[in-house]
Amino acid sequence: GAVVSQHPSRVICKSGTSVKIECRSLDFQATTMFWYRQFPKKSLMLMATSNEGSKATYEQGVEKDKFLINHASLTLSTLTVTSAHPEDSSFYICSARDPPQIASGRYYNEQFFGPGTRLTVL
Amino acid sequence: AQSVTQLGSHVSVSEGALVLLRCNYSSSVPPYLFWYVQYPNQGLQLLLKYTTGATLVKGINGFEAEFKKSETSFHLTKPSAHMSDAAEYFCAVSLSLPGGGNKLTFGTGTQLKVEL
Repeated sequence: GAVVSQHPSRVICKSGTSVKIECRSLDFQATTMFWYRQFPKKSLMLMATSNEGSKATYEQGVEKDKFLINHASLTLSTLTVTSAHPEDSSFYICSARDPPQIASGRYYNEQFFGPGTRLTVL
Repeated sequence: AQSVTQLGSHVSVSEGALVLLRCNYSSSVPPYLFWYVQYPNQGLQLLLKYTTGATLVKGINGFEAEFKKSETSFHLTKPSAHMSDAAEYFCAVSLSLPGGGNKLTFGTGTQLKVEL
């Protein structure tokens, strides 16, 4: 099956610093990747959709300047948390979408998830 | 808008007992439905999915789910729970995006506890 990796798995940083998280699709090309945020004992909240070669599409309420997304190649998307603060501490998960499949006349894509990155801002 | 509701944030079963995790959906078009499992501090792993065809879907680790349109449900079951099944389970519905592609909307999750 398709494999998605994230790096780093855990990061601790001081308030005010920036942190970059990488998401890679290891055995397939992903034109689209997604970034999610998960609070403790909560569901996944979609932050943004990352499209290769174009600007990311952010969900309502997500600060574009705070969470910078770059999708420079078909196998790599990065999320940079700028000027991180303790409230940004969370579990960040990425997913990558495989080529579309068709069912009932509609296209759909399956998403493959990375193992997540635990960010702690002191 | 499409959404999923998972009834019961915590479910506890005895080892060897039936596992039943509930998921109801709301969708204006035929839905694509998914169940994912998440172990502590890990990402999500796909258990099974329903897109079209047979309404009883079999997945990995002995799990299965049945799509019931009349009840707008997609409950996850496993005949006999194992200790290794203890995890967080998420139901998700796929929302089609203009221009192709889709994004997932997740339920709030159900924590499954398996006791001896």
